[in-house]
Amino acid sequence: RKEVEQDPGPFNVPEGATVAFNCTYSNSASQSFFWYRQDCRKEPKLLMSVYSSGNEDGRFTAQLNRASQYISLLIRDSKLSDSATYLCVVYGNNNDMRFGAGTRLTVKP
Amino acid sequence: DTAVSQTPKYLVTQMGNDKSIKCEQNLGHDTMYWYKQDSKKFLKIMFSYNNKELIINETVPNRFSPKSPDKAHLNLHINSLELGDSAVYFCASSGGLSGYSPLHFGNGTRLTVT
Repeated sequence: RKEVEQDPGPFNVPEGATVAFNCTYSNSASQSFFWYRQDCRKEPKLLMSVYSSGNEDGRFTAQLNRASQYISLLIRDSKLSDSATYLCVVYGNNNDMRFGAGTRLTVKP
Repeated sequence: DTAVSQTPKYLVTQMGNDKSIKCEQNLGHDTMYWYKQDSKKFLKIMFSYNNKELIINETVPNRFSPKSPDKAHLNLHINSLELGDSAVYFCASSGGLSGYSPLHFGNGTRLTVT
């Protein structure tokens, strides 16, 4: 089993749709979690951290389920500019930041 | 103003050559990383340094040698380049070892080995 696994893409959705991505992790000792966004031929950029109680930032909501070892990202009212690859990042210990393979989202007019 | 800067942005070279990529961060972070993103877009950690000390050294050929002269710099030297080394190499930094500080990436170095 891979350390960090994400929903296979691509996701193609119309503008205004709600879309959700899941990410599972294998290390139960993992301490912190993040969602990053990567545009084509660009560097990954932090989208949001994921807190135990769940957190929201505008149209984006992140959830953590420690018992089932997964995190999720929900995007409401999708915009064309949301088109990107979304990367799940899990921190285990000792500086061990592990990335998922990414889920590609395309929002269409 | 660039927080994490790496040079060069593009690097085209022939098999067997030796090349270096430089990375500098002005965020005052203690920890720096090198990641490799291959053609399948998978980001894989290569090395991590904390205050000039090597913390993570993944299964990377010893042709790859990182060097951290101070905590603001982490350079990557690659000997005897091979076709399979072609990828985008990202430098990143974070505030510490706790893991609660997210990564800040440089804009990548696209290495093409011919």
